[in-house]
Amino acid sequence: AQKITQTQPGMFVQEKEAVTLDCTYDTSDPSYGLFWYKQPSSGEMIFLIYQGSYDQQNATEGRYSLNFQKARKSANLVISASQLGDSAMYFCAMREGVQTGANNLFFGTGTRLTVIP
Amino acid sequence: NAGVMQNPRHLVRRRGQEARLRCSPMKGHSHVYWYRQLPEEGLKFMVYLQKENIIDESGMPKERFSAEFPKEGPSILRIQQVVRGDSAAYFCASSTGLAGSNTQYFGPGTRLTVL
Repeated sequence: AQKITQTQPGMFVQEKEAVTLDCTYDTSDPSYGLFWYKQPSSGEMIFLIYQGSYDQQNATEGRYSLNFQKARKSANLVISASQLGDSAMYFCAMREGVQTGANNLFFGTGTRLTVIP
Repeated sequence: NAGVMQNPRHLVRRRGQEARLRCSPMKGHSHVYWYRQLPEEGLKFMVYLQKENIIDESGMPKERFSAEFPKEGPSILRIQQVVRGDSAAYFCASSTGLAGSNTQYFGPGTRLTVL
């Protein structure tokens, strides 16, 4: 089974509107972390936001927020007030074994977001 | 603070040659990870290293690929006798290795093209 599933290959959003990018995950580890990264056309991977499995509140970073629904195993990224510069690929990723320290990330296949002026 | 540095940014090799990719982690980070990204796909984990130690190489092909992170200098990902299927973007990430978020910060990647 895929550890991270992103079901939206592409999404469009009007500038200044909000958009939700979906991510579901699969793990039996009680301690895990969820990450979102942005990959613009220039190719670099930019860290956006992190949610720990034991965090009581949804993570927020500026215009980014993470809608964490543990029972559904979903960690959707919400971008508010979209800007043209938000056009990029967005990847959801998971790290298991958070309590034990460093581990590799499992990535989804990504969602390409296009912001329309 | 300088971010994760990778060089070269672009590398072209002919089949059978060796490719050597370098990664310098962020200041204060002692853990390095290498990932490979094929076109239109997500990143796939290859190897995780600390200084002078390979911690997890479960994602790295058993043949032709090797990685090191010496006491001094950058981490090196080496691909011997490259084939066309090795063409991809190779990303390095670094982290503090501490429990908790232990966020991995990525370099700009090296785009390898095998002719």
